Amino acid sequence: NAGVTQTPKFRVLKTGQSMTLLCAQDMNHEYMYWYRQDPGMGLRLIHYSVGEGTTAKGEVPDGYNVSRLKKQNFLLGLESAAPSQTSVYFCASSYLGSSEAFFGQGTRLTVV
Amino acid sequence: DAKTTQPPSMDCAEGRAANLPCNHSTISGNEYVYWYRQIHSQGPQYIIHGLKNNETNEMASLIITEDRKSSTLILPHATLRDTAVYYCIVRLFKAAGNKLTFGGGTRVLVKP
Repeated sequence: NAGVTQTPKFRVLKTGQSMTLLCAQDMNHEYMYWYRQDPGMGLRLIHYSVGEGTTAKGEVPDGYNVSRLKKQNFLLGLESAAPSQTSVYFCASSYLGSSEAFFGQGTRLTVV
Repeated sequence: DAKTTQPPSMDCAEGRAANLPCNHSTISGNEYVYWYRQIHSQGPQYIIHGLKNNETNEMASLIITEDRKSSTLILPHATLRDTAVYYCIVRLFKAAGNKLTFGGGTRVLVKP
């Protein structure tokens, strides 16, 4: 039981490049989330999903797209990376009626 | 969701109880108080939650004032591994998407 797994753990992109971050959970959770965390700040919600095939915008969605084609996976895409997207990205998941969210270990992304 | 106010940092001695305050004066009657912590470079970890009664689990105790405008997270015997940023979050139990809104948290340093 791995919980929430994020791939990759580290990545350096050049401005304008694209990439996809993968989040996988093996707990059969309905809800999944993508957050970003800038230095010294709390986490901010980018996008989230309440079920397979559904996604919704969070607090800071601009510049990102997401997809939830399978219940266990939640993908975060950057179509044209910008230096302002340099951050640590965290994925999380939770049950429909649960109080507890489970977080991955994060992806450290640097855009140069 | 109601906003929360936490001190930005605090120190505590190893082996002593750590009392972490949180103000949430605009909390509504059906909003819960949640606590998460984030150890350096890791994803946040759920600690405890409560509505109005005091709660205790293997990690911590949560004391909520009678008027529910503030709460205190108690780590009964702090260890060096409890050094982390602690987030107090107020939210409906089954909010849309179970989203969590993180503030700045309290940076707790446990000293030997």
